[in-house]
Amino acid sequence: AQSVAQPEDQVNVAEGNPLTVKCTYSVSGNPYLFWYVQYPNRGLQFLLKYITGDNLVKGSYGFEAEFNKSQTSFHLKKPSALVSDSALYFCAVRDNTGNQFYFGTGTSLTVIP
Amino acid sequence: ETGVTQTPRHLVMGMTNKKSLKCEQHLGHNAMYWYKQSAKKPLELMFVYSLEERVENNSVPSRFSPECPNSSHLFLHLHTLQPEDSALYLCASSQEYRYNEKLFFGSGTQLSVL
Repeated sequence: AQSVAQPEDQVNVAEGNPLTVKCTYSVSGNPYLFWYVQYPNRGLQFLLKYITGDNLVKGSYGFEAEFNKSQTSFHLKKPSALVSDSALYFCAVRDNTGNQFYFGTGTSLTVIP
Repeated sequence: ETGVTQTPRHLVMGMTNKKSLKCEQHLGHNAMYWYKQSAKKPLELMFVYSLEERVENNSVPSRFSPECPNSSHLFLHLHTLQPEDSALYLCASSQEYRYNEKLFFGSGTQLSVL
């Protein structure tokens, strides 16, 4: 069965410091991995995806994610956090039939000024 | 804006009421989705429509009834709900149903069942 784990409910980081939001996955076949962000009172917005190719994927707003097959991880990173990055972040994997997305429980990121 | 509009933004209803949630997408997409978002839980896929045909129904109670009159509109009809149905209901769309690489979400309807 396909699943995604986000082990941290909450991540706090000081403004200007690097941030990491963790995600591990379980999937049959090749993984298709995604990060979405949800700002307060908004729906989810696409940040980035990994389908194939380079293990380091760059996305919107300066975010990037590193695909690690041996560790079955897809951690979201940003070199320098902004207060405006404070939001709820969801990792997702698409199953190998290509139809359904499986989302994690979300990680609330707070960037402290 | 993502091109997916949901109304109302907030809804409070009693357990005996009947109400409907509306979703409209302006992106020309062929697939539309209803998700339920509850705190500290993964997003729960409820229904999927592809080209106006229902293709997924993930064991959702019959008190939730979807309707997709055309590829741009999606409704979720609610009746005799329970307090545990209180959640954020998100509508999404994608270009295609199979092998889609991006979902576009609306802002959601925050539902409270009293």
